[in-house]
Amino acid sequence: AQSVTQLGSHVSVSEGALVLLRCNYSSSVPPYLFWYVQYPNQGLQLLLKYTTGATLVKGINGFEAEFKKSETSFHLTKPSAHMSDAAEYFCAVIWGGSNYKLTFGKGTLLTVNP
Amino acid sequence: GAVVSQHPSRVICKSGTSVKIECRSLDFQATTMFWYRQFPKQSLMLMATSNEGSKATYEQGVEKDKFLINHASLTLSTLTVTSAHPEDSSFYICSARDQGRTNEQFFGPGTRLTVL
Repeated sequence: AQSVTQLGSHVSVSEGALVLLRCNYSSSVPPYLFWYVQYPNQGLQLLLKYTTGATLVKGINGFEAEFKKSETSFHLTKPSAHMSDAAEYFCAVIWGGSNYKLTFGKGTLLTVNP
Repeated sequence: GAVVSQHPSRVICKSGTSVKIECRSLDFQATTMFWYRQFPKQSLMLMATSNEGSKATYEQGVEKDKFLINHASLTLSTLTVTSAHPEDSSFYICSARDQGRTNEQFFGPGTRLTVL
C-alpha cells in the first residue's frame, strides 16, 4: 500500500541549529510532494512542493527540500532554526490517479530551544 | 491571492443538534474542495471530496448521512454535521483546489467543533 512516513514525531533543536525533518514515501512512481506547516489552532500553510524539474526545491521562511528518487525521500531542511519555526510540519503527497487528493504523513512537531 | 476562509472558526453545540461549517475560496474558483478532520496531535484525515454541482465523494468509513456536503457554487462548500455527538468534536479543515494551479490545495484556517 502507498504510504507517507515521517520519521520522528517530535524533533527538538536549538535556535540557530540545523533543522532536518524526514519524509519517505512508498511508491515506485514518484508522486507530487509537499511540505506544510501548521501553527496551533490554525490551518495549513504550504512551505514548498515538488512536481517536476529541479529536485532541490526552495520554499518560504528559508526552508528547502530535496527530492531523491533513489531513496524515495523528500526531507525538509533549514540551515538555522528560529524560534518562530516551532510548529507542526506535515509531509504530504498526491499519488498519480488520486484525483488530486492529498495523503498526509503523521506530522512532526518541531520545538526550538533558546 | 488564493485565500480560503472558514466560518465559524469555533462552535460549541449541544448533543443532537446540527452544525453547518462554510468553506469559501475568496479570490479564485474551486471546482474541487476537500474536507478534513484532525484529532488533537494527529494528522489530517480526508473525509470527502466536494465537487461543484455534483455529489461529494466520501472516504471509506465516513458516514455520508452524518456529514452532509454541499458544493453549490465555485466558491462555496458547506459541511453539515447532523445530530452531532461528543465523539464528533474535532478540528475540521477544508481546502480548495485552484483550477489554474491544479497541483496545489489552499487550506482554510479550520473550525473547532465542540459537542457537549
